Amino acid sequence: DTGVSQNPRHKITKRGQNVTFRCDPISEHNRLYWYRQTLGQGPEFLTYFQNEAQLEKSRLLSDRFSAERPKGSFSTLEIQRTEQGDSAMYLCASSDRLAGYNEQFFGPGTRLTVL
Amino acid sequence: AQSVTQPDIHITVSEGASLELRCNYSYGATPYLFWYVQSPGQGLQLLLKYFSGDTLVQGIKGFEAEFKRSQSSFNLRKPSVHWSDAAEYFCAVGDNYGQNFVFGPGTRLSVLP
Repeated sequence: DTGVSQNPRHKITKRGQNVTFRCDPISEHNRLYWYRQTLGQGPEFLTYFQNEAQLEKSRLLSDRFSAERPKGSFSTLEIQRTEQGDSAMYLCASSDRLAGYNEQFFGPGTRLTVL
Repeated sequence: AQSVTQPDIHITVSEGASLELRCNYSYGATPYLFWYVQSPGQGLQLLLKYFSGDTLVQGIKGFEAEFKRSQSSFNLRKPSVHWSDAAEYFCAVGDNYGQNFVFGPGTRLSVLP
């Protein structure tokens, strides 16, 4: 098991463009979380899935953001009509029922820069 | 709502010196507490966690943390810092369902040779 992976690691886009990020959790982890981390801040919760069901969304997740986990394995986070304020590191994490879901394992993140 | 404060934005210590990073939390129920470390360009790595039991918990890389309910604190300590410990450290609180995970703003640690 190689841990949580995220692609791409870096994304530079122009304002108004759409971007999509992918997260592959640790295999058999049925919970998957998305966080946003801006410079000098801790990660902020965006949303999480249990299997393919999206169970909670933060109010930080505006209508321009959408996340999916269609088969309960990998997940995608799409941002439509990007704004400069979307520039941040987007982190994905996964957790396991056997560990009580409390311990989250994080991927390396996708750094988004919106010009 | 739960919250986490880390009063020190940036701490500088000399290699070999002891270290204490402060963390205070606000949580209505029994907290699940965590310390993560983040090196530049990397994801977060779990250093240690506290759920219940002994209030002094040991983690990886020689770190330990002490839960003090009366002070709502969960401070991270290391007796002798190594240059490779330079990184950003985040305290976090969650519940026993793996939800409501809240991170503090982080403390950046610099280590002088």
